[in-house]
Amino acid sequence: DQQVKQNSPSLSVQEGRISILNCDYTNSMFDYFLWYKKYPAEGPTFLISISSIKDKNEDGRFTVFLNKSAKHLSLHIVPSQPGDSAVYFCAAIHHQTGANNLFFGTGTRLTVIP
Amino acid sequence: DTGVSQDPRHKITKRGQNVTFRCDPISEHNRLYWYRQTLGQGPEFLTYFQNEAQLEKSRLLSDRFSAERPKGSFSTLEIQRTEQGDSAMYLCASSSGTGSYEQYFGPGTRLTVT
Repeated sequence: DQQVKQNSPSLSVQEGRISILNCDYTNSMFDYFLWYKKYPAEGPTFLISISSIKDKNEDGRFTVFLNKSAKHLSLHIVPSQPGDSAVYFCAAIHHQTGANNLFFGTGTRLTVIP
Repeated sequence: DTGVSQDPRHKITKRGQNVTFRCDPISEHNRLYWYRQTLGQGPEFLTYFQNEAQLEKSRLLSDRFSAERPKGSFSTLEIQRTEQGDSAMYLCASSSGTGSYEQYFGPGTRLTVT
């Protein structure tokens, strides 16, 4: 049962344009969400996170939006750079219940074309 | 500042053999996690330690798997009587647990069972 879903396996964007990566979740108990970036042969690298009490969090070129009613979040990267090409994973946790593990989506491969 | 390290990076073993992986977390982090990632999937939670106590285990962690964190520092993950289905990337992560839910991942150990 996939509780976090990334329905787009891949995305291609021109350098300088906006990249929008989407993520949906089914478990309404999730209260914290994270995005990770993964390069080949490396572990996931933490990128940005958002608490369920917020609807937006921004860090430089990266902004995460959360729509709790739709159980949907998105990661915006603007402007996109070739070095952003990687697999992006959405993850969620319901820490209020005492759980400590992250639930991951299946990832979206972003390719930024120079 | 050293991140999470894992050893070995790659392991090839024959079916039926035992293997052991090591993870060294970020030094001030008291929480340590093991995940498994197979091709085309996101990481899946295996187990969680707070200091030396193993507090959570996923049902993915069969009886052939055992994890330890004897002094609350490094951790080991052992797989006994390996099967071809155990072939995966094994990821270790750590977190400070003090009001922060971000988990920081190591580079992983890629296991191939022949």
